[in-house]
Amino acid sequence: AQTVTQSQPEMSVQEAETVTLSCTYDTSENNYYLFWYKQPPSRQMILVIRQEAYKQQNATENRFSVNFQKAAKSFSLKISDSQLGDTAMYFCAFIGVSSQGAQKLVFGQGTRLTINP
Amino acid sequence: SQTIHQWPATLVQPVGSPLSLECTVEGTSNPNLYWYRQAAGRGLQLLFYSVGIGQISSEVPQNLSASRPQDRQFILSSKKLLLSDSGFYLCALNSGVANTEAFFGQGTRLTVV
Repeated sequence: AQTVTQSQPEMSVQEAETVTLSCTYDTSENNYYLFWYKQPPSRQMILVIRQEAYKQQNATENRFSVNFQKAAKSFSLKISDSQLGDTAMYFCAFIGVSSQGAQKLVFGQGTRLTINP
Repeated sequence: SQTIHQWPATLVQPVGSPLSLECTVEGTSNPNLYWYRQAAGRGLQLLFYSVGIGQISSEVPQNLSASRPQDRQFILSSKKLLLSDSGFYLCALNSGVANTEAFFGQGTRLTVV
């Protein structure tokens, strides 16, 4: 069974600082994808960044980047030059691909990130 | 574009009453559909997912059940609600292609009293 673990329930940093959110996962599948989603107080789920497991190059999206360590099954999110609008719950997510196609989408417990002015 | 409709937004139900939450999607065919529950300030717990009509996978033993009577309809039900069923329920879809973004409904806040 796939599991996703986020070991940091809460984090807070000052505006403009860099912060790294941790995520580890467990799977026996070789083909899968990883995501980070952001959930602001509105509860809307917003995709931040995605990573294909077969790609060694770490994904980047503007101020957001990941450190994907496949052997260690680790997928951390780095937010550079943090902004007040980054305050939200952040979820790490995993989806495996079987012979029938993409299957279940599993989320971690979330990390509540607060950016302080 | 893919959209997902979930209703109602809020619901207050007495213990022992039945439940039916409906989720419908537009702009895609044969999507994967998911039901999640989110306790206050907590993570998303996967309850059920479906890769096609009539195909339901249950992730956690629950007082709940799910059905997919049509390709674009996913229903979460209970015959008798428990206090512990209170929470925020989210329906989600993805196209079935793994690297595509998942889309989420607006959620239903269920309070069992």
